[in-house]
Formats: sequence, structure tokens, C-alpha cells
Amino acid sequence: DTGVSQDPRHKITKRGQNVTFRCDPISEHNRLYWYRQTLGQGPEFLTYFQNEAQLEKSRLLSDRFSAERPKGSFSTLEIQRTEQGDSAMYLCASRQSRGKQETQYFGPGTRLLVL
Amino acid sequence: AQSVTQLGSHVSVSEGALVLLRCNYSSSVPPYLFWYVQYPNQGLQLLLKYTSAATLVKGINGFEAEFKKSETSFHLTKPSAHMSDAAEYFCAVSFNAGGTSYGKLTFGQGTILTVHP
Repeated sequence: DTGVSQDPRHKITKRGQNVTFRCDPISEHNRLYWYRQTLGQGPEFLTYFQNEAQLEKSRLLSDRFSAERPKGSFSTLEIQRTEQGDSAMYLCASRQSRGKQETQYFGPGTRLLVL
Repeated sequence: AQSVTQLGSHVSVSEGALVLLRCNYSSSVPPYLFWYVQYPNQGLQLLLKYTSAATLVKGINGFEAEFKKSETSFHLTKPSAHMSDAAEYFCAVSFNAGGTSYGKLTFGQGTILTVHP
């Protein structure tokens, strides 16, 4: 069990640029979640996948955001035409969906700064 | 709709003193409840969880929490604070539908715990 990993850990970009983040979940976990955490706030749910299917998206996820999990393993989160308000920590989590294995394991996050 | 309220954005205690972090929830169906800890510039680590078994839940690092349905509370406690407990703590809820959970977590705003020597 190597844990959830995220890449990059930090990203600085200029307003209007596109960015893409990657999340590698724990290998046997079929559910994967993305959250966004702004300074001084708790994480807010963005979207989740069961295997390769994206089953729910938050209203926070504007049209500029897209997430994929093409083979049911790693996931990417892309933000197009970034805005300063997108500056936040983006957290990925994974878990199993069998039984009562309800624990979500979080990665270290990708901190995005939009200048 | 489900929500979580953490009372007190900052809590300060002396080393060796009791730690009490408050969490109240709102959920239209039986909840699953969680406490996570976050150290600076890191992800979240699970401390403990309530999943409709015992109402008193013991977690890692000496923390425990008690689920009180009548008070809709899930307060986190630790009898004796250590310097290493200084971090931000988040209470979270997901809902329990038919014995399974869809898993989406709703978090409180967090409580920063400071421990003084």
C-alpha cells in the first residue's frame, strides 16, 4: 500500500493558462474523489468516479473543469483558462466500495496558485 | 442535505490538558462521521470514524469521539494534549443509505489546535 499520490505538488500559473493535475489512487480502490480546499476552509467535494465512470459532479465544477479516469486507475483534473479564484489546494482521495470500507484515503494535494 | 458545523475555529490548550473539539452535524439519513487531521501543506489523515456500530469510537494517537444522536454531535477528545497534536482538525459526514455509503464527504470549516508548552 503506497498511498494516494498526486502530481505536481505545487503549480504556479498565469491567469488564462490551462493546468492538469494527476492523481494515482491506492491500487485496489475503485472509487476516486476530487476535492478543493481554499485557505481557511474545509475541503469541498468536486467530483467522483467509480472505476472509469464519473458518477457525480458538484456545481462547483464549472465548464472550465474536466476530470477523467480513462482506465479506472489514475485520474486527471484539468482546469482551462485559469482564474485567480481557482487558487486552492486540490485533494484527491480513494476508497473501496465493498462492505463498510468507508474510509477515504487522501493524497498530499496539489497547491495551485494563479497569478 | 447534510452539513457540519465545527464550533470554534481556533482552540488553544496547554500540554497535558484535555483537548475538546466540537462538531455538530445535520443529516436527513443516518450518518457516517469522521475526524481527519491535517498538518501544514499535507493531505488529510483519518483519526477515527463512526459507522453505526459503537457510539464511542477510539482512534489513533489517543483520540476518541462519541456519537450522540440526540444532540447531533460527534465531539473529538483527548485526555492529555501533546505538542505534536498541533494541527488543523476537520469533522466530516457522509450519509448511510441502506447500509452503504455513497462516500462523498461534507466537511466542517476546521479547527486549528494550538498546544502551548
